[in-house]
Amino acid sequence: GQQLNQSPQSMFIQEGEDVSMNCTSSSIFNTWLWYKQEPGEGPVLLIALYKAGELTSNGRLTAQFGITRKDSFLNISASIPSDVGIYFCAGQGETSGSRLTFGEGTQLTVNP
Amino acid sequence: DTGVSQNPRHKITKRGQNVTFRCDPISEHNRLYWYRQTLGQGPEFLTYFQNEAQLEKSRLLSDRFSAERPKGSFSTLEIQRTEQGDSAMYLCATTPGWGEQFFGPGTRLTVL
Repeated sequence: GQQLNQSPQSMFIQEGEDVSMNCTSSSIFNTWLWYKQEPGEGPVLLIALYKAGELTSNGRLTAQFGITRKDSFLNISASIPSDVGIYFCAGQGETSGSRLTFGEGTQLTVNP
Repeated sequence: DTGVSQNPRHKITKRGQNVTFRCDPISEHNRLYWYRQTLGQGPEFLTYFQNEAQLEKSRLLSDRFSAERPKGSFSTLEIQRTEQGDSAMYLCATTPGWGEQFFGPGTRLTVL
C-alpha cells in the first residue's frame, strides 16, 4: 500500500540533544498526525495538524504542517531517555478518505 | 480506563485455523478503523465503520477477512483459514469524526 517517505529511519542521540524528523508525500493531505509507538503497544497520538503552515507544540514537541500540504516536520527538544520509541507520521488526504496513510517510522534511541 | 481496548492482546494459532479479534471503542466514537502492522512498517489500513455501516475496505482485506460492528459499538475482525503471512499486529482505532484517531494496544497474531 501507499506509504509516506519518512526520514531518517533511525537516530542515535545523546540525552539533551534536539531531534528533527520529517515526512514527505506525493499526495496532498488535509491532516497530518504524529504518533509514538513503543514495543508491543499501539501508536499514541502526539500532535495533530489541520491547516497548511500550522505550527503546533506539545511540551518539548513541535510539529509543522508544510505549506505545500505534502510534508510535515516533528522536532523534539532537549531529549530525555523516555523519548525512546518509534515515531510515525500519518496523513489523511483528499483522495483517500478518512483512512490514515503512515510513514515507515523513525526509530529514536537516546543515550543517557 | 476509557481508551480503546482490544482482546486478546496475543494470539498464537496454527495455519488453517480461524481467529477472531475484538475492539471496544472509546464511548461515543462513531468511526472505527482496523489497521495491520508488520515488523518494521507503519500501520496499513484494512477497513472502517461509521456506526454499524462498513464504508470502506482495503485491497489488503482478502476474502478470508471479515469485519463486523453489529450495534455500532464494539467490532470484531475474523480471519478464516489463517496463513503464515497473516502474522502481524492488528490495530483498532476510533474517532468521533474526522482527524485524530486513537489507537488501542493491538492484538499480536502469530500463525505457526
